[in-house]
Amino acid sequence: GAGVSQTPSNKVTEKGKYVELRCDPISGHTALYWYRQSLGQGPEFLIYFQGTGAADDSGLPNDRFFAVRPEGSVSTLKIQRTERGDSAVYLCASSTRVAGGQDEQFFGPGTRLTVL
Amino acid sequence: GENVEQHPSTLSVQEGDSAVIKCTYSDSASNYFPWYKQELGKRPQLIIDIRSNVGEKKDQRIAVTLNKTAKHFSLHITETQPEDSAVYFCAAISGGSNYKLTFGKGTLLTVNP
Repeated sequence: GAGVSQTPSNKVTEKGKYVELRCDPISGHTALYWYRQSLGQGPEFLIYFQGTGAADDSGLPNDRFFAVRPEGSVSTLKIQRTERGDSAVYLCASSTRVAGGQDEQFFGPGTRLTVL
Repeated sequence: GENVEQHPSTLSVQEGDSAVIKCTYSDSASNYFPWYKQELGKRPQLIIDIRSNVGEKKDQRIAVTLNKTAKHFSLHITETQPEDSAVYFCAAISGGSNYKLTFGKGTLLTVNP
């Protein structure tokens, strides 16, 4: 079946602009995660959704970052007043969240954000 | 919070040799340890995982071992092939969160034909 998809694959923007990054999780997956991967580093946790609600947004670096998942499926990560330091690959993942245990997180291909 | 250290950062082996990548974690409550393979420009893909109630797990040429007392776990790849060349990430999920993956910095494995 279809995996996690993300759009756009690449986004180039200017410092100070607003951007939106979209994630389509695997159908039926209730859990959705956003991670940020800087060059030469492992992914870093940003936010976790269970259904429509953000269960944990402790990884968002500051209040310029915000994410929504209004219908419990597609999610959008929004970045206001972008800064050069925001340049990275933004990865989305989804999972079934089997009750009481961990389960595999399936990753999307990522959106490479470049802030000039 | 959890901290995961991964070594080495780069590893070069000859085709057919074995490769070992090691990780340590800080949170003794961590209970799930996946390994991801990421080819250049591609998404991370799970290759094997282990839970804290198991000491070793094997899947064909890949194995993972876990030492809870020492808080370290290792990935072992035998009979390496050129297509094994990629960046490998270890990760841990803390028992406190049950969902938040903390990743190591990755190991670039190069298998020379």
